[in-house]
Amino acid sequence: ETGVTQTPRHLVMGMTNKKSLKCEQHLGHNAMYWYKQSAKKPLELMFVYNFKEQTENNSVPSRFSPECPNSSHLFLHLHTLQPEDSALYLCASSQDRDRGDNQPQHFGDGTRLSIL
Amino acid sequence: GQNIDQPTEMTATEGAIVQINCTYQTSGFNGLFWYQQHAGEAPTFLSYNVLDGLEEKGRFSSFLSRSKGYSYLLLKELQMKDSASYLCAVGNSNYQLIWGAGTKLIIKP
Repeated sequence: ETGVTQTPRHLVMGMTNKKSLKCEQHLGHNAMYWYKQSAKKPLELMFVYNFKEQTENNSVPSRFSPECPNSSHLFLHLHTLQPEDSALYLCASSQDRDRGDNQPQHFGDGTRLSIL
Repeated sequence: GQNIDQPTEMTATEGAIVQINCTYQTSGFNGLFWYQQHAGEAPTFLSYNVLDGLEEKGRFSSFLSRSKGYSYLLLKELQMKDSASYLCAVGNSNYQLIWGAGTKLIIKP
């Protein structure tokens, strides 16, 4: 296993369904991120976890619920999503957020989410 | 507000050189990143600039001018596999990354 792995790669769900996205990193990093990527728009940071503690929530609707049980795993629980939530959801990790400098983030291949 | 501007799309010829520009306005500055993203794949880290000047890494070089809020990514000896989107991201004073929308680079034979 290498890098950052996201499952599933593709997900189609109805607006009333509940599903979860999973991210796992094998890099020994302590910070993990969820991003939303829509066509022709900048990456939107959703949540940040540093040493398993949530440090940022960028005004994300409550229908998205993150969970970080340990530094290697990150989940995004989804329920009652809207059609505008259809996008690519990317997970990333970096060394940590406390070093006082910016370190490169390593991304997974993303989950392509379609809401019917 | 904070924003990153980069061209939406560029086209270049195999074997040529292309320069992708990025201008930024952020609250503070803690480094500028360039990432490459092939369609359907993860963004991958290309370069990091925190001081003014040129950083060279093989066929790719990245330049930064902090006083002008400007960077460019220079790709030499273009290959077909360089067809991808190139994302510019700037770290602000809170160590948050502000992302551009990306430049889609199309390489023609």
